[in-house]
Amino acid sequence: SQQGEEDPQALSIQEGENATMNCSYKTSINNLQWYRQNSGRGLVHLILIRSNEREKHSGRLRVTLDTSKKSSSLLITASRAADTASYFCATVEVDSWGKLQFGAGTQVVVTP
Amino acid sequence: DTGVSQDPRHKITKRGQNVTFRCDPISEHNRLYWYRQTLGQGPEFLTYFQNEAQLEKSRLLSDRFSAERPKGSFSTLEIQRTEQGDSAMYLCASSLGEKQSYYGYTFGSGTRLTVV
Repeated sequence: SQQGEEDPQALSIQEGENATMNCSYKTSINNLQWYRQNSGRGLVHLILIRSNEREKHSGRLRVTLDTSKKSSSLLITASRAADTASYFCATVEVDSWGKLQFGAGTQVVVTP
Repeated sequence: DTGVSQDPRHKITKRGQNVTFRCDPISEHNRLYWYRQTLGQGPEFLTYFQNEAQLEKSRLLSDRFSAERPKGSFSTLEIQRTEQGDSAMYLCASSLGEKQSYYGYTFGSGTRLTVV
């Protein structure tokens, strides 16, 4: 079973616009991670946010975490065509050995 | 060390045949994971190794599936008597890992299995 649910399932934007996607999860977590996957390829780790953090930045990425609502958001600013990919959130449950449980992902298409 | 390597990239097999996939993790990483991903879905956990010990195996993994990590280095995933439902992308990942310390995973490019 999958822990997280991403919203929206698909997102289409133009270059230069911001892309926002959300992730909801069900259990208490130690941390939440976001990954990117280009078509037919493996996943690339983008960012990890711990349960005691509320916001984290990495380049054009901004992640927020609201543990009271069991939700997270990923914002990609000034999007580029190269950002076209599927984005997945994944959670590590508290007191676990570190198993990642993924959601179904958001498919983002950035048109030039 | 350039990352996690998986071999082969693609495998087409007839139903009933056995297949074996190989994963070479990042050499410093003590943890290795296998996931399965079907079209339009997120990866689903299959199994996990800490060094050479297989510490967790998903209920998704039937008796036809077996994984090994001899000497805590590379890993193999074997599927016996393949079925069409086994068609998927099989992803390997590795990471550092200590109790209560968590790190992001480094994934390989995957092995796409098609059972005909």
